[in-house]
Amino acid sequence: DAGITQSPRHKVTETGTPVTLRCHQTENHRYMYWYRQDPGHGLRLIHYSYGVKDTDKGEVSDGYSVSRSKTEDFLLTLESATSSQTSVYFCASRRSETQYFGPGTRLLVL
Amino acid sequence: QQQVKQSPQSLIVQKGGISIINCAYENTAFDYFPWYQQFPGKGPALLIAIRPDVSEKKEGRFTISFNKSAKQFSLHIMDSQPGDSATYFCAASRDSNYQLIWGAGTKLIIKP
Repeated sequence: DAGITQSPRHKVTETGTPVTLRCHQTENHRYMYWYRQDPGHGLRLIHYSYGVKDTDKGEVSDGYSVSRSKTEDFLLTLESATSSQTSVYFCASRRSETQYFGPGTRLLVL
Repeated sequence: QQQVKQSPQSLIVQKGGISIINCAYENTAFDYFPWYQQFPGKGPALLIAIRPDVSEKKEGRFTISFNKSAKQFSLHIMDSQPGDSATYFCAASRDSNYQLIWGAGTKLIIKP
């Protein structure tokens, strides 16, 4: 977890509202990732970034968008939250082959 | 072809015993195989990793065994301790992009 923070750590929201999760890293890593973790599915990649303003989709990107305006910050936005997006969201950054994860954000969509 | 299948889903082992978690993959282009350990309320952290040029890698009580022909790899935890209780994830990727494909995870409980 060292050097990577996520905010908020917990959030409850209502269906149809936009939600933005923030990931901040102090390691100056070029690559950053957003995952969701659900029981029985492991970690599934939502979006990733390979540099400032350079992002690409992962396997479960529908309903999510990302932005990276600075090396240290990677934002994940749920454009219109749905109950199926209730999950634990993890951000990671990568140096060489190793991914370093933040502590996660637990999101509940009612 | 992109899947990594992990088993068992959960595992209970007595203190001092050997914990074994297995993973299988299909994509022969994968050439990096890490194991991550996750404690409750925390993000996963790299535990140990292997590349296909070796059949085994050991770090302390943790060993990865790799069988390239069978497309399988496994994590062995020797002398398992209660502090090893965690969820373990295997993963695989290609050196070209290190985009990890994850197994579903194994919840390991070590009974004192």
